[in-house]
Amino acid sequence: GAGVSQSPRYKVAKRGQDVALRCDPISGHVSLFWYQQALGQGPEFLTYFQNEAQLDKSGLPSDRFFAERPEGSVSTLKIQRTQQEDSAVYLCASSLAFSGHTIYFGEGSWLTVV
Amino acid sequence: GQNIDQPTEMTATEGAIVQINCTYQTSGFNGLFWYQQHAGEAPTFLSYNVLDGLEEKGRFSSFLSRSKGYSYLLLKELQMKDSASYLCAVISQTGANNLFFGTGTRLTVIP
Repeated sequence: GAGVSQSPRYKVAKRGQDVALRCDPISGHVSLFWYQQALGQGPEFLTYFQNEAQLDKSGLPSDRFFAERPEGSVSTLKIQRTQQEDSAVYLCASSLAFSGHTIYFGEGSWLTVV
Repeated sequence: GQNIDQPTEMTATEGAIVQINCTYQTSGFNGLFWYQQHAGEAPTFLSYNVLDGLEEKGRFSSFLSRSKGYSYLLLKELQMKDSASYLCAVISQTGANNLFFGTGTRLTVIP
């Protein structure tokens, strides 16, 4: 597609519920990233994929967070047993290759845990 | 660890020039990005600096000094639509693409 597409755009989850957030990167982009952005803050790195390989997951805040990209294109970020502190915008971004290339962001999935 | 600092908020007048500063302390350095983010929207790319000096692109310019760990974004001929958050981000590792962001500077342009 023309840009990075994320769904759902908005999600309200009850505390304890599992959620899955989808990211469709720009076609042909090798690198894919997930970021978490709290209100009034800059995005914080969660995890990074190069094709289907998850090369860095150091930013995932707990073992309730899990990301996958099984075929090297679409990625899913799953959050199990959601808690109120998980409320944030989850941004997906992709880039063509490695360092130095522009990273393009999707509009984000806004998660509110009630 | 990574530390990226930028002012939280700035206000400037339409038609004026504003400079948004960013200082960074990272374990390595492989480039610095500036992004613009309007409320509720995705960050959009403005500039990328990896060598020292000034990069100019229309009304926007970005400067980098690697020895000082310092960058600034210069916006000229401000327009009301420039009201947004401006995010400074650093790639700290060669071969990795994970950007580390500052908290962003919220710029308000007033008439």
